[in-house]
Amino acid sequence: QVQLVESGGGLVKPGGSLTLSCAASGFTFSNYYMNWVRQAPGKGLEWVSYISTSSTYTNYADSVKGRFAISRDDAKKSLYLHMSSLRAEDTAVYYCARDYGTATMSDWGQGTTVTVSS
Amino acid sequence: QSVLTQPPSASGTPGQRVTISCSGRSSNIGSNTVNWYQQLPGTAPKLLMYNNNQRPSGVPDRFSGSKSGTSASLAISGLQSEDEADYYCAAWDDSLNGYVFGTGTKVTVL
Repeated sequence: QVQLVESGGGLVKPGGSLTLSCAASGFTFSNYYMNWVRQAPGKGLEWVSYISTSSTYTNYADSVKGRFAISRDDAKKSLYLHMSSLRAEDTAVYYCARDYGTATMSDWGQGTTVTVSS
Repeated sequence: QSVLTQPPSASGTPGQRVTISCSGRSSNIGSNTVNWYQQLPGTAPKLLMYNNNQRPSGVPDRFSGSKSGTSASLAISGLQSEDEADYYCAAWDDSLNGYVFGTGTKVTVL
C-alpha cells in the first residue's frame, strides 16, 4: 500500500535552515507530482509547494517563495523540502502528499513537526 | 492564507444531515474541480471527495459533494459519531498556479 514517511523536523532558531525528507513506497514514485502542505498549531491547512514529474515544474506559496526549495530523487523515491531564513510563522506540522492528478492529494504522510523559536 | 471560505463550525445529532459550504472565485472553484479532505483529531488529512462528487474507495456513501459556479458543498447524511472531524475543501487556483484550501469546518456530533 502507499506509504509516505516524513522526517527531518525539529527545533530551529529564527533565520536558520532545515531540510525535510519524505520517503515513499508502495507506488511508482517517479510517475507522480508531489506536494508539501503545512498546518500551524490550531490552524488550517496551507499548501506550500509542488514538484512535477522529472522535476520539470515547481511552484511555491507566496509565504515561502524565495526561502524554500522543493526537490525529489526518483532513484531514492524521496521528496525533500529545503527551508531557509526560517521564521516563527513557519512553525507547523509539514505533510508530504501524493498528487493523484487534477490537483488531488490522494495520500498523505503522518507529518513532521518544525518549530522555529529562539 | 486561505482563499476558499467555509463556515467555522457545523453540528447535528446522530442520524441528521449536515451540509458544509465552500465559497471561492472564478480562478479556483469556478475553473477547476473541488476536493474535500477529512481530518480526524490528531491525524493527517484524508481525501474524502474528489472531482466535486467522487468518493475514493472506502468512503461511505453517506458523504456526497456538489459544485455550482464558484461554490461547492459537502453533505453528510445519517451523521455518525465517527464523523466528528475537521473538513476542508480545496481546489487548484489558476491565478496563483497553486493549490488553495478552505478555512476548514469543525463538525460536532451532539
